[in-house]
This record gives sequence, C-alpha cells and structure tokens, in this order.
Amino acid sequence: DGGITQSPKYLFRKEGQNVTLSCEQNLNHDAMYWYRQDPGQGLRLIYYSQIVNDFQKGDIAEGYSVSREKKESFPLTVTSAQKNPTAFYLCASSIRPGVGGEQYFGPGTRLTVT
Amino acid sequence: DAKTTQPNSMESNEEEPVHLPCNHSTISGTDYIHWYRQLPSQGPEYVIHGLTSNVNNRMASLAIAEDRKSSTLILHRATLRDAAVYYCILIPQRGGGSEKLVFGKGTKLTVNP
Repeated sequence: DGGITQSPKYLFRKEGQNVTLSCEQNLNHDAMYWYRQDPGQGLRLIYYSQIVNDFQKGDIAEGYSVSREKKESFPLTVTSAQKNPTAFYLCASSIRPGVGGEQYFGPGTRLTVT
Repeated sequence: DAKTTQPNSMESNEEEPVHLPCNHSTISGTDYIHWYRQLPSQGPEYVIHGLTSNVNNRMASLAIAEDRKSSTLILHRATLRDAAVYYCILIPQRGGGSEKLVFGKGTKLTVNP
C-alpha cells in the first residue's frame, strides 16, 4: 500500500534534548511538508521541500531543522531552541508543487516535552 | 492568503445528505478550492478540490457558485465515519512555490445514528 508513515506515534522528551521525527513516503511524490498543530488550532507550516537536497522555511521554522537526502524521506529535528515544542506534528506530501493539487498526510507524531 | 468562512458546527443524521457551506468572497481567479477533513488525533484527509466547475468523486461532491465566492461540500449519505472537522481551503496555483495549507477552525460535523 502506498502512503506516508510517521514514527513514532507518541514521543516524550525532556526539555533541552533534540529529537528527530521520521517521515517516509512511497508515493513517488516530489514535494514534502512539515506542519505543526496545536490543540483546537489549524496547521502551521514549518518547512517544505520541493525536490531532493532542497528545502525552504515555512512560517514557523525557528527551532526546527530538516534534511531531504532522499526523495522518500524528510525527517524533522526539533531542537532545544524551540521554545514550545509540545504539539502534534504532521508530515505531508504532494505529487509536485505549483499545480494546486492535493496533499496526503501521515498519521502524525504527538510530541510531549517536559 | 485568501480567507474562508465556515460555520463552527453542523449536525446530521446517518444516511441523510449533508451540505457543508464555505464562503470565500476574496478568492482570486487562480485559487483552487480544496476540502480536507480531520478525525480526532489523525492527520487531515484530502476530500475533493475544484477550480470552477462542480466536481464529483467517490467521497463527495463539490458545488462551486458561478461567481466562485462560495462553495458547498456535499456528502450524499452521511455515515458515522464522516463525523470529523471539515476544512475549506484556498490554494493558489503558482509555479515553484510552497503550497502550504492554511487551515481555519473548520466545521465540526456530528452525525447522529
């Protein structure tokens, strides 16, 4: 089955630690995205990548970093510089940017930092 | 980003049709109208999208007003599995740029058995 996988589903970390969230897709999509969702709120874009080895900051990139070494993978690192990291993180992909097409989402990772 | 306005909540009975409205009076000529839905603690799920003409797929229908300032998502026979928050989003068609999804509060649909 084609789709997007995110792991783990739940993640707990101590304040001051960096943590990396995994996102993998086997849809052969060019574009991938990371969003953050806080309770009762909509999605906010953290980073996006239109092609391998290239990525751009979204609206709330501070305290986060990404890499896109393979088409299938777009991991997100939440660094200790992120002031409020506890949130629901969603990864998405689309066939290619610039065509107004749909985005497919993974199941999300709920990160809790204490 | 162009904004959309949706009712906070709607209620329906199982196996009845549901019409979810969305107003987007400031839509531009190249904005696509997208609908997504999200169940609790899950990622959003794409439902349907369109530009000018009405669209049908296996999940729903999208009716777009002639002036494009409003649209309606139609679920022909609601099931309990359709209970979710439904988001109406405008995505501009532009080359080489981000197509971030700007979610508002959406409409929470309750389906009664």
